[in-house]
Amino acid sequence: GAVVSQHPSRVICKSGTSVKIECRSLDFQATTMFWYRQFPKQSLMLMATSNEGSKATYEQGVEKDKFLINHASLTLSTLTVTSAHPEDSSFYICSARDTNTGELFFGEGSRLTVL
Amino acid sequence: DAKTTQPTSMDCAEGRAANLPCNHSTISGNEYVYWYRQIHSQGPQYIIHGLKNNETNEMASLIITEDRKSSTLILPHATLRDTAVYYCIVRVAGGNAGNMLTFGGGTRLMVKP
Repeated sequence: GAVVSQHPSRVICKSGTSVKIECRSLDFQATTMFWYRQFPKQSLMLMATSNEGSKATYEQGVEKDKFLINHASLTLSTLTVTSAHPEDSSFYICSARDTNTGELFFGEGSRLTVL
Repeated sequence: DAKTTQPTSMDCAEGRAANLPCNHSTISGNEYVYWYRQIHSQGPQYIIHGLKNNETNEMASLIITEDRKSSTLILPHATLRDTAVYYCIVRVAGGNAGNMLTFGGGTRLMVKP
């Protein structure tokens, strides 16, 4: 089946630093990718929709200047958490939409811990 | 996307069938029923989807009522590795670029020895 790879799977950083998470579709093109955040014992919450070659669309309450999204190619989207704080500690998950079929596939998730 | 309602949690004995219900009374005619599951600290895993006919694959069976207002995911012989949160989602299959998945609370299935 289609594979979506996220990197890193785990990252620990100091408060105030920035962290970049990559999401790659390995065997299909993804014009659109989605970024979710999941806090412990909660469901996935959509943060933003990433569109190749254009600006991301953010959900209400998600700061676009804090969560920078870049989707520069048909197989790669990146999420940068800028000036991270402990409350940004969470499980970040991406989903890539196969441009040809429209089906959605999920990455393995990236656990961010901000000290 | 139509909203879904699922029980918060369920238990199942290992080796027995796990039947996970989902209500989606406001489903539209072009919306499919999708099931995903999420094992702890992993990304969601696709299980199965259907429109109105019952579906079966190597992982599970999906039973959709005739009025399409509810469905049941069946894991025929649950194992300990099936312990996970199961999400029932309705959405238009394929569709346009903005067609993301909206997750509800899901059902936390605990398979016990």
